[in-house]
Amino acid sequence: ETVMTQSPATLSVSPGEGVTLSCRASQSVSRNLAWYQQRPGQAPRLLIYGVSTRVSGIPARFSGSGSGTEFSLTISSLQSEDFATYYCQQYSTWPTFGQGTKVEFK
Amino acid sequence: EVQLVESGGGLIQSGGSLRLSCAASGLSISDQYMGWVRLAPGKGPELVSVLYSGGATLSADSVRGRFIISRDISKNTLYLQMNSLRVDDTAMYYCATVESFGWYFEYWGQGTLVTVSS
Repeated sequence: ETVMTQSPATLSVSPGEGVTLSCRASQSVSRNLAWYQQRPGQAPRLLIYGVSTRVSGIPARFSGSGSGTEFSLTISSLQSEDFATYYCQQYSTWPTFGQGTKVEFK
Repeated sequence: EVQLVESGGGLIQSGGSLRLSCAASGLSISDQYMGWVRLAPGKGPELVSVLYSGGATLSADSVRGRFIISRDISKNTLYLQMNSLRVDDTAMYYCATVESFGWYFEYWGQGTLVTVSS
């Protein structure tokens, strides 16, 4: 099983700030990496797949990068609707997810 | 517009069984890989089972032999039969579409909560 580790567990930020979330895989997943956003009481929403391809309708302030075992999701200027939990997921082997990073109001 | 609506969750005693349903609209589940993903408190999501468009299935080690994924094409509905439930199966269960060329999950239902008590 490929273990996905996200850091930090929680990020406290102010609206308008930029943030970078990290995700590490226990073995190379090439570019088979997706990111999801989950707001309280809602289902996860796919943001990015293939490391950096945004899903239609996802704002350009969300960007992904990385390859192999190290990945990141950057939100360039946090809006109020971006305060949520973010999960990375690899699909190089049987899909596995990270434990999530919660982005909260400072 | 794709919609997935789960039902069938509830409170069940350890060792019991439940069947979850996921009614789909806006897509044909016969043409689509479909899956069940669960999210337990304090944990990351976990893929439970996948049903290929051709009918083959795969399940996670944690549920293999206990959970069965299936579908009724005439009803455009996906199912998850959960047997021998354990306390650690407690989670929100989501059905989701699975991209066939890369197993990520684009469309999700709103989820149905399964609570297994001891």
